[in-house]
Amino acid sequence: GQQVMQIPQYQHVQEGEDFTTYCNSSTTLSNIQWYKQRPGGHPVFLIQLVKSGEVKKQKRLTFQFGEAKKNSSLHITATQTTDVGTYFCAGLGGNKLVFGAGTILRVKS
Amino acid sequence: DAGITQSPRHKVTETGTPVTLRCHQTENHRYMYWYRQDPGHGLRLIHYSYGVKDTDKGEVSDGYSVSRSKTEDFLLTLESATSSQTSVYFCAIRRTSGTDTQYFGPGTRLTVL
Repeated sequence: GQQVMQIPQYQHVQEGEDFTTYCNSSTTLSNIQWYKQRPGGHPVFLIQLVKSGEVKKQKRLTFQFGEAKKNSSLHITATQTTDVGTYFCAGLGGNKLVFGAGTILRVKS
Repeated sequence: DAGITQSPRHKVTETGTPVTLRCHQTENHRYMYWYRQDPGHGLRLIHYSYGVKDTDKGEVSDGYSVSRSKTEDFLLTLESATSSQTSVYFCAIRRTSGTDTQYFGPGTRLTVL
């Protein structure tokens, strides 16, 4: 079945440093979605990428979808303490989302 | 929040007892999902429903059953709870108008002793 791998598992950064998490799928994806989960909270939808090579920005967050539609990345510029949480990518396969294991981001102020 | 509630929010039970978790939505969405979340595994799909009385298995369905007799309610049952089912359980709905995405409930933390 479809598998989605996500790295790194953990990332500790100093406030103001950049952060990137990477997502790779075993199969070509129709779209990829990113979610953020704050500590103690539930996953919240951030964005969806559909087109090959697509790049979308949300303030300090930049999302990319690979040309082959099998990989994606989320980059945060100049992290802030409010960025703390777990970031998940998820690939849509039929009626189901397959989630990566997530990257836990900790920010030291 | 897409009008999703889960009950109970916390539960402690003993091995071998049956447990039922409830997910309730107020927006009449067709698709509903149950996930479990464990450290290092992300969110894993247990079962999902694509309509009243229509359900299908996910990747970790063993030991779990579901029922959906009304559009608004999706129940997850652990017939005989085991310690390996200690986890945080999230329900989600799929909103297909506009961006096809999922919205999650607040979660249920289940501990099986």
